[in-house]
Amino acid sequence: AQSVSQHNHHVILSEAASLELGCNYSYGGTVNLFWYVQYPGQHLQLLLKYFSGDPLVKGIKGFEAEFIKSKFSFNLRKPSVQWSDTAEYFCAGDNTDKLIFGTGTRLQVFP
Amino acid sequence: GAGVSQSPRYKVTKRGQDVALRCDPISGHVSLYWYRQALGQGPEFLTYFNYEAQQDKSGLPNDRFSAERPEGSISTLTIQRTEQRDSAMYRCASSSGPGAGDYEQYFGPGTRLTVT
Repeated sequence: AQSVSQHNHHVILSEAASLELGCNYSYGGTVNLFWYVQYPGQHLQLLLKYFSGDPLVKGIKGFEAEFIKSKFSFNLRKPSVQWSDTAEYFCAGDNTDKLIFGTGTRLQVFP
Repeated sequence: GAGVSQSPRYKVTKRGQDVALRCDPISGHVSLYWYRQALGQGPEFLTYFNYEAQQDKSGLPNDRFSAERPEGSISTLTIQRTEQRDSAMYRCASSSGPGAGDYEQYFGPGTRLTVT
């Protein structure tokens, strides 16, 4: 990916609500896409990744993302969020060996 | 245990001073990456190494920034004559092989640099 954009900067949800965070990338050859999460006080960790094959990717903690090539999108979803999902979420694509990150989405979940 | 460690965790320095930020990758990891994250932004690539060789330094903003990894393990990012615009979180990551698409990058806790 040559660039990655996230349009939701701050999302506020109640527990049990469904989540979808948008991510779009610009075409740059072979596309590998990632979602990283940073919980409060912790470091960035990988949630899930797409390399090829099945466009629906499942990650940890019930998260999934769908790669839609025609829309250049890789949106993150979770059917029912929990308070513990409060964190900052970053979409990223790779450009040769380095990761290109979006600006991040801050998710707040209230009980 | 070992995850990626970085030191110091916080650094406050006066404008014009030099700073050195250290990254200790996961043992045996071949590749090491430096990113910078300004407030409200995502991490931005600075440079990376495979073993001791610096493969790409295209993200270093200017010649005040340099990095080394002399023995293929610990890396140091040095900023000379710091400026206020250098204030950011500096993140290090390591992976067991080259290629962001093939090998997961594991991130350290970051160093928060504040230039006053």
